[in-house]
Amino acid sequence: GENVEQHPSTLSVQEGDSAVIKCTYSDSASNYFPWYKQELGKGPQLIIDIRSNVGEKKDQRIAVTLNKTAKHFSLHITETQPEDSAVYFCAAPLKAAGNKLTFGGGTRVLVKP
Amino acid sequence: GAVVSQHPSWVICKSGTSVKIECRSLDFQATTMFWYRQFPKQSLMLMATSNEGSKATYEQGVEKDKFLINHASLTLSTLTVTSAHPEDSSFYICSARDYARVNTEAFFGQGTRLTVV
Repeated sequence: GENVEQHPSTLSVQEGDSAVIKCTYSDSASNYFPWYKQELGKGPQLIIDIRSNVGEKKDQRIAVTLNKTAKHFSLHITETQPEDSAVYFCAAPLKAAGNKLTFGGGTRVLVKP
Repeated sequence: GAVVSQHPSWVICKSGTSVKIECRSLDFQATTMFWYRQFPKQSLMLMATSNEGSKATYEQGVEKDKFLINHASLTLSTLTVTSAHPEDSSFYICSARDYARVNTEAFFGQGTRLTVV
């Protein structure tokens, strides 16, 4: 069916190391891929997004890569810091959902000092 | 950046009462707002799409008579949980899209923790 799958569900890294989260989507027509960070008890906050006309986008320690052929996109966090600990969600607009954003299951990232 | 304010941030109510949650876009106009429900350690589940000046569109399985949505202006949408029961306890989050920018990101409110006792 139409969905967005996210892996891993949990990720534990040592401070300073990199973290990578991957998402796959089912709708080849999807053209916008945001990543959200959600801290405990708060709403999701957009941290980076990418559109289908580019393959990579970077913002300081955060980068997103997109492979339209394979229908997957990834979030890369370099030089992780304890404050990066949160739950991260990917999302994509799916035609089956009326082009509304469908969210992945989330990845709980823990950065150990 | 665009700011979406949600109020209240938390609320405790008795079973059988109704609770209203507000979602405001502070510095942009939003013809469309979305309401989500999130259970602990789970992803966001879209409940309904709120359209300014028209009826909301509810996702399958969401009771429209229980979760009343009103989008009376370009900057305000409200979700009213009617006759609340303990199983309605959850984290409710709204998001809004900037009317002036097509196919753009949605900005989220800070969420409302509802506890029904």
